[in-house]
Amino acid sequence: RKEVEQDPGPFNVPEGATVAFNCTYSNSASQSFFWYRQDCRKEPKLLMSVYSSGNEDGRFTAQLNRASQYISLLIRDSKLSDSATYLCVVNSQAGTALIFGKGTTLSVSS
Amino acid sequence: DVKVTQSSRYLVKRTGEKVFLECVQDMDHENMFWYRQDPGLGLRLIYFSYDVKMKEKGDIPEGYSVSREKKERFSLILESASTNQTSMYLCASRPDRVNEQFFGPGTRLTVL
Repeated sequence: RKEVEQDPGPFNVPEGATVAFNCTYSNSASQSFFWYRQDCRKEPKLLMSVYSSGNEDGRFTAQLNRASQYISLLIRDSKLSDSATYLCVVNSQAGTALIFGKGTTLSVSS
Repeated sequence: DVKVTQSSRYLVKRTGEKVFLECVQDMDHENMFWYRQDPGLGLRLIYFSYDVKMKEKGDIPEGYSVSREKKERFSLILESASTNQTSMYLCASRPDRVNEQFFGPGTRLTVL
């Protein structure tokens, strides 16, 4: 089983739509969880951390379910500028190297 | 602002050449990483370093070596480049006790 699994998509949605991405991780000892965003031909950048209680940042909501080893990202009121690849990321057992999922591609159209 | 720089954005080399990819960070981060990113395979960790002169193998170290003589600089070395090492190479750094990694802009390496 791969360490971090995501649906690669692509997700094609109209502006204003709500879209959800899911991710599962295999290492139950993982402690830290993130969503990174990567624009085409650019480096990944941190979008938001994911906390056990769930957290929100504007139109973005992240949830963590430790029992199911499942992470989600919800984007409300999608904008054209949200088009990117979203990477699910967890820390490794050693706590030093982050493990990246392959990413889910989102395309928002007008 | 954290800045991670990589020596080249684009690089073309021939099979068998020795290739050096340089990465420099200006925020005194202890940890530095080298990844390669390929379509359908995502980001894969090659090597990382948590201190000067220290290195750890990642998931795919074969065909690569690294050097960290100074805290701010982490070099990736391809001893004898092969066509299957054509890829996007991304360097990242991270301070201790913080999990966010900061990436450089990447080097797109083509080996002919």
